[in-house]
Amino acid sequence: EVQLVESGGDLVQPGGSLRLSCVASGFTFSNYAMSWVRQAPGKGLEWVSTISDSGGSTYYADSVKGRFTISRDNSKNTLYLQMNSLRAEDTAVYYCAKRDGGAWGQGTLVTVAS
Amino acid sequence: DIVMTQTPLSSPVTLGQPASISCRSSQSLVHSDGNSYLSWLQQRPGQPPRLLIYKISNRFSGVPDRFSGSGAGTDFTLKISRVEAEDVGVYYCMQATQFPYTFGQGTKLEIK
Repeated sequence: EVQLVESGGDLVQPGGSLRLSCVASGFTFSNYAMSWVRQAPGKGLEWVSTISDSGGSTYYADSVKGRFTISRDNSKNTLYLQMNSLRAEDTAVYYCAKRDGGAWGQGTLVTVAS
Repeated sequence: DIVMTQTPLSSPVTLGQPASISCRSSQSLVHSDGNSYLSWLQQRPGQPPRLLIYKISNRFSGVPDRFSGSGAGTDFTLKISRVEAEDVGVYYCMQATQFPYTFGQGTKLEIK
């Protein structure tokens, strides 16, 4: 069974940092590009970032470019999102997903507030 | 960026009746590889999104055959042949042809 389990969400002050993790199982992680997608409370889905299967290519939404960094460790079947200079508008549930959308985690909540 | 526009934003439907959601993209979703990366996702209340349809019309594994997708170029449709109670939720179209990937605003399907 394909599973994606996110962790690392927390309450953080504006300007702070956080690192999210997503552990994958049930499929060959190193064969798939992976994405982070977020959903602000009561709002729709917003694509955040995608990384290629090897990690050699990364893509970001303009809203997070220069502040967030996506990475992966294929030996650990783990996807990461390093989030710096956090803002109130980054408050959301963050989902990791296979790039093709075929699998999603349950999400982890990031709240940016003082 | 490619803008995805869904209509309607809310759809009250009677159980057993059909439902249809439209999605229009601001530019063609045909990729240089010839595929159109248009997907439909379902998000039930309190749940993460779930893939229903990929590349316009391909039903994902385990998705009931009452769900179907169609369209081409910039106009796409998701149809539910007979709505069931478990279909309640928000439906999103999403394009993955070009970065940044973008989603429609979401269509809330509710039972009359």
